[in-house]
Amino acid sequence: NAGVMQNPRHLVRRRGQEARLRCSPMKGHSHVYWYRQLPEEGLKFMVYLQKENIIDESGMPKERFSAEFPKEGPSILRIQQVVRGDSAAYFCASSGQKHTEAFFGQGTRLTVV
Amino acid sequence: GQQVMQIPQYQHVQEGEDFTTYCNSSTTLSNIQWYKQRPGGHPVFLIQLVKSGEVKKQKRLTFQFGEAKKNSSLHITATQTTDVGTYFCAGSRSNDYKLSFGAGTTVTVRA
Repeated sequence: NAGVMQNPRHLVRRRGQEARLRCSPMKGHSHVYWYRQLPEEGLKFMVYLQKENIIDESGMPKERFSAEFPKEGPSILRIQQVVRGDSAAYFCASSGQKHTEAFFGQGTRLTVV
Repeated sequence: GQQVMQIPQYQHVQEGEDFTTYCNSSTTLSNIQWYKQRPGGHPVFLIQLVKSGEVKKQKRLTFQFGEAKKNSSLHITATQTTDVGTYFCAGSRSNDYKLSFGAGTTVTVRA
């Protein structure tokens, strides 16, 4: 049973480009969380999704950021028109049920130049 | 909104010594989880506490959930170099899906 898979591991984008981060949850998991982590800081909640539904996006910026978890395929975190301040590590986590342990992927390190 | 705070932010420990990191929530939690993140790595689940006053042990690590379910602690005895990393607590409320993380305690060990 593969763990949570995130790709790419590293992503470099120029200001104004789009970044697409992918997350395949553990097999059988339908709950997906996205977190952002700045250097030397904690994990900031962005969005929680359950298959095809956004349940809580209270941590996600209203503009430029969107997330989806389609019926088939990985969850996608999309950042449009990236700016330098978007540079961070983005972690995806999945769980089988609400309030159970979350398994994290290895993260995508986004660098905006 | 719900806030989870951890202290201290940094903990420098002499190898062999004990230390404790604390986690406090502004609201009552349904459960609290602890994670460890090694430098350059990703958070790895350590344990979950659900009951008021619950205490769980993993070898040299002791986790405690407060009676009011608003605070928790992690105590490490006889610190080793393998304990280096950042320890996060994370909590959620019963009517909330969101798992809110504290800022973490980053532990360094002097040999």
